[in-house]
Amino acid sequence: EAQVTQNPRYLITVTGKKLTVTCSQNMNHEYMSWYRQDPGLGLRQIYYSMNVEVTDKGDVPEGYKVSRKEKRNFPLILESPSPNQTSLYFCASSVRGETQYFGPGTRLLVL
Amino acid sequence: RKEVEQDPGPFNVPEGATVAFNCTYSNSASQSFFWYRQDCRKEPKLLMSVYSSGNEDGRFTAQLNRASQYISLLIRDSKLSDSATYLCVVRAPSGYALNFGKGTSLLVTP
Repeated sequence: EAQVTQNPRYLITVTGKKLTVTCSQNMNHEYMSWYRQDPGLGLRQIYYSMNVEVTDKGDVPEGYKVSRKEKRNFPLILESPSPNQTSLYFCASSVRGETQYFGPGTRLLVL
Repeated sequence: RKEVEQDPGPFNVPEGATVAFNCTYSNSASQSFFWYRQDCRKEPKLLMSVYSSGNEDGRFTAQLNRASQYISLLIRDSKLSDSATYLCVVRAPSGYALNFGKGTSLLVTP
């Protein structure tokens, strides 16, 4: 089954404790992206990757890091999480010009 | 100015009603347009693409006006299951990134 998976789905952590949210797709898509969704602000892009070893900032990259060492994986790293990073995070993938497929989301609470 | 702007909503309509959502986009070079549906705090899913000539998928009709940079979605004979947030989405000219509107909430009531 074609899918995008994210782990963990739910995470409660404390300020400053490094965390990684994994994202994996099995569709051989070139393009992968991370979004955060907050009430009243909609979906905002954090980082994206157009292929292995090619990443770039989206609209709200501050406080986040990404890497793309393999085509299927695109982890999101929060080196020192802060409460303003409490949000719902979505990973997505696509082929250029085609539909973007989203993962199920990760709910993060930073205390 | 935000790339994609939508009706603020929410829309509360009775079953069987017809409802229309509107959306404007700022980048005239945009090439692809979509409506995505998002159920409560779940992942967005493609509802339909929007083509220049307009297109229909069952009870859903999407239209695009490039001159006015305007996109619409019409839902006829609303069902309870249509209750969701509808996201207007415009693909950036680069061909990869998507710009999302903030979404319009629809609640269909019995």
